[in-house]
Amino acid sequence: TQLLEQSPQFLSIQEGENLTVYCNSSSVFSSLQWYRQEPGEGPVLLVTVVTGGEVKKLKRLTFQFGDARKDSSLHITAAQPGDTGLYLCAGSGSGNTGKLIFGQGTTLQVKP
Amino acid sequence: NAGVMQNPRHLVRRRGQEARLRCSPVKGHSHVYWYRQLPEEGLKFMVYLQKENIIDESGMPKERFSAEFPKEGPSILRIQQVVRGDSAAYFCASSRGGSGNQPQHFGDGTRLSIL
Repeated sequence: TQLLEQSPQFLSIQEGENLTVYCNSSSVFSSLQWYRQEPGEGPVLLVTVVTGGEVKKLKRLTFQFGDARKDSSLHITAAQPGDTGLYLCAGSGSGNTGKLIFGQGTTLQVKP
Repeated sequence: NAGVMQNPRHLVRRRGQEARLRCSPVKGHSHVYWYRQLPEEGLKFMVYLQKENIIDESGMPKERFSAEFPKEGPSILRIQQVVRGDSAAYFCASSRGGSGNQPQHFGDGTRLSIL
């Protein structure tokens, strides 16, 4: 059974601080996606990483896929209150069928 | 806006009743996925369908739950004889292709409450 462990589960920081969210597994994933979810809404895709060692940047967000494609990280620089939300990592299941295995999520609160 | 549309947004049922959740995918997408989310948790995969076919139902309970994606019309997730433990948010996602690299676009979910 493929599992994704996401840490930390909760994070409360001050505006301007940096943070990193981790997503780890003992399984290899063909790709990994990061989503952000607001209360009462569905997850919104931020990025998909496919190649081991790949790094993608989205403004103040930096996403990295581990060399062995078993782990990923999301780093936010100079966090802002607008970054508050639930961040979810999701890996493509075995067989690359499109079925997504989600981590349990990281709830981020950025205080002004 | 041609995003994934789910309805109803909120559904209240009494124990023993049936719940029907609908999902219209993004126009041009033929792959649909259903996920369930409990409070403060990530999403759990339930079923993956491609027009008229169930591709993977490994996450769906064997009893009371069924899903379909007919040639015409929305995908339906049906829960018969609902119980309190079925209370959750149910999300539908769609993609253009079926590989894991294809981005999945999510609807805003149906929040099911069982009295």
